[in-house]
Amino acid sequence: KAGVTQTPRYLIKTRGQQVTLSCSPISGHRSVSWYQQTPGQGLQFLFEYFSETQRNKGNFPGRFSGRQFSNSRSEMNVSTLELGDSALYLCASSLGDSGRKNEKLFFGSGTQLSVL
Amino acid sequence: AQSVSQHNHHVILSEAASLELGCNYSYGGTVNLFWYVQYPGQHLQLLLKYFSGDPLVKGIKGFEAEFIKSKFSFNLRKPSVQWSDTAEYFCAVGGYNKLIFGAGTRLAVHP
Repeated sequence: KAGVTQTPRYLIKTRGQQVTLSCSPISGHRSVSWYQQTPGQGLQFLFEYFSETQRNKGNFPGRFSGRQFSNSRSEMNVSTLELGDSALYLCASSLGDSGRKNEKLFFGSGTQLSVL
Repeated sequence: AQSVSQHNHHVILSEAASLELGCNYSYGGTVNLFWYVQYPGQHLQLLLKYFSGDPLVKGIKGFEAEFIKSKFSFNLRKPSVQWSDTAEYFCAVGGYNKLIFGAGTRLAVHP
């Protein structure tokens, strides 16, 4: 079974630009979560999508948005990039069964975004 | 406020030494606790998790963690570390796919 796939692996952008990151979950997984990982802040939850709907949201500004398609693939968009957005963006997938709070997340390798 | 605190940012050990990584949490509601590990160049993977029952949880690769409710702690332990345990370890709390992670502890094990 293929794991969680994130593309691209690396991105370099300049301030003010926007960027779109992609995540393909494990086959059969319906939940996709996004996290931002930085050396100073660690991993911070961005949002979670399930069945094309945002189900959970973290404390990030509106410049960070996402969506999920009918095949469970998800995209994350960051508009008007700032230097502080430089980070590793991780995607995680799970079955998404809301009756199971302790679901195991499967993480991708991440997209390393550098904002110059 | 919900938060996770990992006391040690960097730990250096020799092979065969014992390991204990501290984790304290602040969380309202039912607690689900996790330890994830990130080996160099690899993606995050689950080491172990606690959601109910026996507070002593055993995970992969000989790791275990103990949930102590009165201390709001979920410390990770391993009796004898190996060079291959060199990695970054993250404690997390939460549920419904929304996890709050600690800042991580970088463990370096020297042969």
